Amino acid sequence: NAGVTQTPKFQVLKTGQSMTLQCAQDMNHEYMSWYRQDPGMGLRLIHYSVGAGITDQGEVPNGYNVSRSTTEDFPLRLLSAAPSQTSVYFCASSYSLTANTEAFFGQGTRLTVV
Amino acid sequence: GENVEQHPSTLSVQEGDSAVIKCTYSDSASNYFPWYKQELGKGPQLIIDIRSNVGEKKDQRIAVTLNKTAKHFSLHITETQPEDSAVYFCAATSNRDDKIIFGKGTRLHILP
Repeated sequence: NAGVTQTPKFQVLKTGQSMTLQCAQDMNHEYMSWYRQDPGMGLRLIHYSVGAGITDQGEVPNGYNVSRSTTEDFPLRLLSAAPSQTSVYFCASSYSLTANTEAFFGQGTRLTVV
Repeated sequence: GENVEQHPSTLSVQEGDSAVIKCTYSDSASNYFPWYKQELGKGPQLIIDIRSNVGEKKDQRIAVTLNKTAKHFSLHITETQPEDSAVYFCAATSNRDDKIIFGKGTRLHILP
């Protein structure tokens, strides 16, 4: 059972480039989310999804897009990377947020924008 | 929206002593309060959680208390061990807006 898988683990981008961070879970979880982690800022919610075809904005959505075409996958797209998007990104999933259950996190993607 | 404050940001305790981390939340509709532990280079992992209909919960050396009136909850670790060194996050969530809001984290150092 792989849990939540994020790829890549490390990435360096130039300012203005675009890329997609991949996230997949094999637990048939309805709820998936993306966070960024910056020193002293904790985990901040970027976007989340309560099921296939449904997405919504979190605390810091600007500069990021998401889609949820399947239950398993929840990719995060950076349209035009900026140095302020240098961060560690975590994807998480849980069975059902409204039931307030445990969130399972991936191992993270460390992104550097130069 | 919900706001979660966590203190302290850094905590050093002697091995064998107790550690306490405190969080406050702003939304009275919040009803689920998990605590996550993050080890170096890894994603956060749930260690204990508490729901709003319970005042205290314990799991071996770890306990969490909740005061709904004051809107604060705390993590207690007793008989600390070197493997307890990590970053700890509190969080709050409610049925109202489907968001998990985290505190900024506490870096716990266990001193030999």
